[in-house]
Amino acid sequence: DAGVIQSPRHEVTEMGQEVTLRCKPISGHNSLFWYRQTMMRGLELLIYFNNNVPIDDSGMPEDRFSAKMPNASFSTLKIQPSEPRDSAVYFCASSLDQREVAGELFFGEGSRLTVL
Amino acid sequence: AQSVTQLGSHVSVSEGALVLLRCNYSSSVPPYLFWYVQYPNQGLQLLLKYTTGATLVKGINGFEAEFKKSETSFHLTKPSAHMSDAAEYFCAVSSGDSSYKLIFGSGTRLLVRP
Repeated sequence: DAGVIQSPRHEVTEMGQEVTLRCKPISGHNSLFWYRQTMMRGLELLIYFNNNVPIDDSGMPEDRFSAKMPNASFSTLKIQPSEPRDSAVYFCASSLDQREVAGELFFGEGSRLTVL
Repeated sequence: AQSVTQLGSHVSVSEGALVLLRCNYSSSVPPYLFWYVQYPNQGLQLLLKYTTGATLVKGINGFEAEFKKSETSFHLTKPSAHMSDAAEYFCAVSSGDSSYKLIFGSGTRLLVRP
């Protein structure tokens, strides 16, 4: 079975540019999460969707960050404009229904973002 | 508020030796507890979880963890380390009230010496 698919795996961009990260969750999973991983802050939850609806975006750092889930099989995380401090690995994860099976998240391989 | 503390950012063991990775949690409600493993350049994978019932939980690759409420601990162990166990391990907690939020510890990198 295909797991969570993220693209791109690596992105290098210059400060001020727009960055779009993409995620395809596992088919049949109702919950989707975006996490950011850095050495300094560890794993941070940015936003959580359930049935394509954003439930909690309190972890989104600033207005420069936005996330969408137009359908059950696709989500995007956009940063505009990007800044060097946004450099991190961004993970997408999905689960069957986080309200029912708390914690069994399936992670993608991550998108490593470097902003110069 | 819930939190997780992992003692030791790095643990080094010899191949064949006991692995012990420590995790203490703080939760005002009965917690769900998890261990995830991250291999280099990969996402996290679930090793094992505790929700209710038996306090000794067995996971994949020979790992197990014991929930000790009195000590607020959920330490991860494996009797005999293998080179392939070298990875980063994350303890995580969520409340038992259908909360979606999974709070991760800062991680422990396990090094296995030949």
